[in-house]
Order: sequence, then structure tokens, then C-alpha cells
Amino acid sequence: SAVISQKPSRDICQRGTSLTIQCQVDSQVTMMFWYRQQPGQSLTLIATANQGSEATYESGFVIDKFPISRPNLTFSTLTVSNMSPEDSSIYLCSVHRGQNTEAFFGQGTRLTVV
Amino acid sequence: AQSVTQPDIHITVSEGASLELRCNYSYGATPYLFWYVQSPGQGLQLLLKYFSGDTLVQGIKGFEAEFKRSQSSFNLRKPSVHWSDAAEYFCAVGNSGGGADGLTFGKGTHLIIQP
Repeated sequence: SAVISQKPSRDICQRGTSLTIQCQVDSQVTMMFWYRQQPGQSLTLIATANQGSEATYESGFVIDKFPISRPNLTFSTLTVSNMSPEDSSIYLCSVHRGQNTEAFFGQGTRLTVV
Repeated sequence: AQSVTQPDIHITVSEGASLELRCNYSYGATPYLFWYVQSPGQGLQLLLKYFSGDTLVQGIKGFEAEFKRSQSSFNLRKPSVHWSDAAEYFCAVGNSGGGADGLTFGKGTHLIIQP
């Protein structure tokens, strides 16, 4: 298993500002992922963050809006930039230990943009 | 591209009754399938997974799911629900690496338990 800590757990932000979400894992993992869960919706993969390489973004998500850092094998950050109310969502960090294992999720960060 | 369909947005079940949540997937190869549960204000907890082998898989909290390749389905079942089972349930599919490229989720089924 993996214990994943996300900070902050929730925040209310003004439009036009940026928020950085932190994800800390209790052990080294190769693959980390960031998901977005819009209100009443399912989870959508934003990007894959592997240590030592640029993040890989899914269609509809761009680095300028969602810059990601992955400085080591236990930590990653996701920044939501120039926020608008449409960015109000739960953002979840997930880790995967490799083939034939399951993904583990953090508790999520509930973001409200006003 | 892979996709997951959960046809039931809401399901209401009486406490003690049986439960079946439907999940259909679209994937070109052998899928890796998962059911996750999300309680209010909580993250996602894995209930069970199917990678290969026995098509009937047992999970935590008394849940089970059956993989039916011919129907592209992975329905979740529980013989007797408890009030604490009220939550959002997500079916997900991963690639041949077990989701090593990320998961594709269904829209979720909101389970309501009647006393």
C-alpha cells in the first residue's frame, strides 16, 4: 500500500490567483498522477509526473495552466494557475508502483474559486 | 481509446438488501479493472481489482465483482448492504500495465441506503 498526504485539504481562492497543491508519499514511487474531479463528476487524468522527466499531459490540459513538479520519488506538486470559477474541483494525487499493481489515491484537495 | 460506462447515476437500496452496480468498459486488449469507493469528503479506496485468472474476484467489505469478457462488463455485487455502504462508487479501467499510464473512470454511481 501507500500513504499519500495532500496539502491543503481544501482552499477558497480568488480568481486570477494560483494555488500549489502538494503530494507527499510515504515511500518511493516511480509513477505519480494528478486527477481532477469536477463537482458531481468522475475523475479525469490531468497528467503523469515521473521523476526526472517532464510531466505528460492529457488532452485538454496544458503545462501553462497546470505546471507540475516532481523533484524526487516521494513528492510532487500541481499548480492551478490563473484560476477561474471553472477550476473549482477536487484535485487528487495518485501513485502507482508499477505493472500489475493498483493505484492509490490521496484524500484530495477541494478547491473553490470565487 | 478506452472508456467506462456506469449506466446508473443513482441507486437506492434498502439496508440488508442485495446490491449490483453495473459497469461496462471498452478496451482493445485485456483490461485491468477496478472498483473504487469514495465516501463524502474522502479520497478513493480500492474495493477490488481484476488483472487475470478467476473472473469472480473478492474484495473488501464483502464486495465481489465478476468479469465477463463476452459482455465487456465488470459488475459489483454485495449480498447484503449496510448503511455505511452509502457512498459514490467508481469503476475504472487501466492499460496492460495495470493502470501504469493512469486510469479511465466511469462517471460513478451514487448509492443511497434506505433504513
